[in-house]
Amino acid sequence: GAGVSQSPSNKVTEKGKDVELRCDPISGHTALYWYRQSLGQGLEFLIYFQGNSAPDKSGLPSDRFSAERTGGSVSTLTIQRTQQEDSAVYLCASSLDLHEQYFGPGTRLTVT
Amino acid sequence: GENVGLHLPTLSVQEGDNSIINCAYSNSASDYFIWYKQESGKGPQFIIDIRSNMDKRQGQRVTVLLNKTVKHLSLQIAATQPGDSAVYFCADPAGTALIFGKGTTLSVSS
Repeated sequence: GAGVSQSPSNKVTEKGKDVELRCDPISGHTALYWYRQSLGQGLEFLIYFQGNSAPDKSGLPSDRFSAERTGGSVSTLTIQRTQQEDSAVYLCASSLDLHEQYFGPGTRLTVT
Repeated sequence: GENVGLHLPTLSVQEGDNSIINCAYSNSASDYFIWYKQESGKGPQFIIDIRSNMDKRQGQRVTVLLNKTVKHLSLQIAATQPGDSAVYFCADPAGTALIFGKGTTLSVSS
């Protein structure tokens, strides 16, 4: 079946602009995660959605970052007033449980 | 600080050799570890996992060893192939998310 998809694959934006990144999880997966990967680094947890529960936002680096998950499926990560340090690959993953997470290909964000 | 970390950022091997990628962790309460492989331009892909009540687990051409005494785990890849070239991460489920180390880049030359 289809895996996790993300769009766009690449996004270049000017400092100060808002961006929206989209994630389509695997159908039926109740858990959805956003991670950030800076160049040469490991993955940094951002936010976690599980079913209808309140999301775990403990990894969001600032209030410029927010995320929504509509209808328990598609999720959008929004970064307001982008800064150069926001440049990274943003990865989305979905799973039926915490352990076996399936990752999308990521969105490479470049803030100029 | 990080829960997990890797000893070497890069590892270069010849095709056919065995590769060993190491990872140290600090949380003695961790009961589960996962190895992921990330190829260039792609998201991480699950390779193999191990629970803390095990010392060793084998998959296809891969073996993970866990030493709880020194809080160390390793991923062994047998007969390394060019397609194994990637960044390898160990990860530790902590609460609601995975905690990833920085990764080891494995380069396989023919």
